[in-house]
Amino acid sequence: GQNIDQPTEMTATEGAIVQINCTYQTSGFNGLFWYQQHAGEAPTFLSYNVLDGLEEKGRFSSFLSRSKGYSYLLLKELQMKDSASYLCAVMDSNYQLIWGAGTKLIIKP
Amino acid sequence: NAGVTQTPKFRVLKTGQSMTLLCAQDMNHEYMYWYRQDPGMGLRLIHYSVGEGTTAKGEVPDGYNVSRLKKQNFLLGLESAAPSQTSVYFCASSPSAPGQGTDTQYFGPGTRLTVL
Repeated sequence: GQNIDQPTEMTATEGAIVQINCTYQTSGFNGLFWYQQHAGEAPTFLSYNVLDGLEEKGRFSSFLSRSKGYSYLLLKELQMKDSASYLCAVMDSNYQLIWGAGTKLIIKP
Repeated sequence: NAGVTQTPKFRVLKTGQSMTLLCAQDMNHEYMYWYRQDPGMGLRLIHYSVGEGTTAKGEVPDGYNVSRLKKQNFLLGLESAAPSQTSVYFCASSPSAPGQGTDTQYFGPGTRLTVL
């Protein structure tokens, strides 16, 4: 079966750095996405990786290793507004997104 | 430019009742999707559409029907609601064909449905 694993919850301190990991087993691979979802709101797109390596976008970076079935989202200079759930999703061989359950990130002052 | 909108935002149904959820997008996107989101689980695809007049089944289609009569609208119907359909429903749209570009999906604000 297809599976996306990410930690259920993480806690970090304002101003610090946090890394959210995602491992996947899917039938085929056509890209990996990270979305942010604040409580009670819609998911919003953060990043997309299809080749191995690091993609940097401001305070957020996303890394992919296709051979290991592994990705991480790195958030720097954490702000209180970064408190949210972070969803990892993989596009499979049928070009459908398979979603992880999300990681709830709690930022403490 | 409103993006993706959903109506209603909240709804309570009794078992056996029917209802239709409406999704509208003003971005001229070809692709539209209906997901459900349940606690502790990832988003699960119910049905999707690759263009006006077309629909296809996703991962969890049973108990739902959809229609895409106009490009900008995607309707999700529950013919006979069951408590297992209590969930948050999200509609999404994307501009490009799968495998082209980033395939970013733009989500609506969601509909919270409770079936008693």
